[in-house]
Amino acid sequence: DAGVIQSPRHEVTEMGQEVTLRCKPISGHNSLFWYRQTMMRGLELLIYFNNNVPIDDSGMPEDRFSAKMPNASFSTLKIQPSEPRDSAVYFCASTRAFFGQGTRLTVV
Amino acid sequence: GEDVEQSLFLSVREGDSSVINCTYTDSSSTYLYWYKQEPGAGLQLLTYIFSNMDMKQDQRLTVLLNKKDKHLSLRIADTQTGDSAIYFCAESEGNTPLVFGKGTRLSVIA
Repeated sequence: DAGVIQSPRHEVTEMGQEVTLRCKPISGHNSLFWYRQTMMRGLELLIYFNNNVPIDDSGMPEDRFSAKMPNASFSTLKIQPSEPRDSAVYFCASTRAFFGQGTRLTVV
Repeated sequence: GEDVEQSLFLSVREGDSSVINCTYTDSSSTYLYWYKQEPGAGLQLLTYIFSNMDMKQDQRLTVLLNKKDKHLSLRIADTQTGDSAIYFCAESEGNTPLVFGKGTRLSVIA
C-alpha cells in the first residue's frame, strides 16, 4: 500500500479563492482525521470520520471550512473563501497511526 | 479541556541518550503515544503505551509512564543524527481523537 496520499503537496492561492485539499486513506481503515499544523498553535484536530460519517467537527474553525467523505477511499477539505490566516500545513491521517505527507497551504 | 505539555527543545551529542519528557492532564487517558516528524513530512507513529503499563521497550526506544504524576518520557539510546526531528507526545481516552503536545525539537550534534 502506498500509504495515505494527500494532494496537492503545496498550494498557493489568493485570498478569497476556494481551496480543496484531497486525501486518499489506506484501504480498509475505517477512521480518517484532518489536522492543521501551525507554529503558533501546533497540531489541531479539525474533523474526523468513522466509516465515512463525520463524528466530531468541533475543531473546524469557521463555516468557511467544510469536509466530506463520500466513500471509504476519498475525503476532501474545502476552504471557501480562503484567508491568509488559513496558511498552514494540513494533514490527513488514516486511523491514528498513518499520516499523509501533508499539504502546505499559503494564502496570499 | 485536556492538555499535553512538552519542552520545546533538546540538544544531545551523537551517541548519548536522549530523554524527551511529556506531562498530561487527562486522568482518564488510556493510550499515550510518541510520534516523530521529520522536516517536510507527516507524523510517524514511533510507539504507544497503554495506561496500565509503566514501561515499554522497542529496540533503542524506551517509554516510561508514571500514571500518578501523569508523566511520560521517551528515551532514545545511542542517539544518531538521523534521530534529529520533532517528537510529539499525544494522549487519548478510549477511541477519542488524540490530543497532541506542541512537540520537542531534538537536535543531535555530531
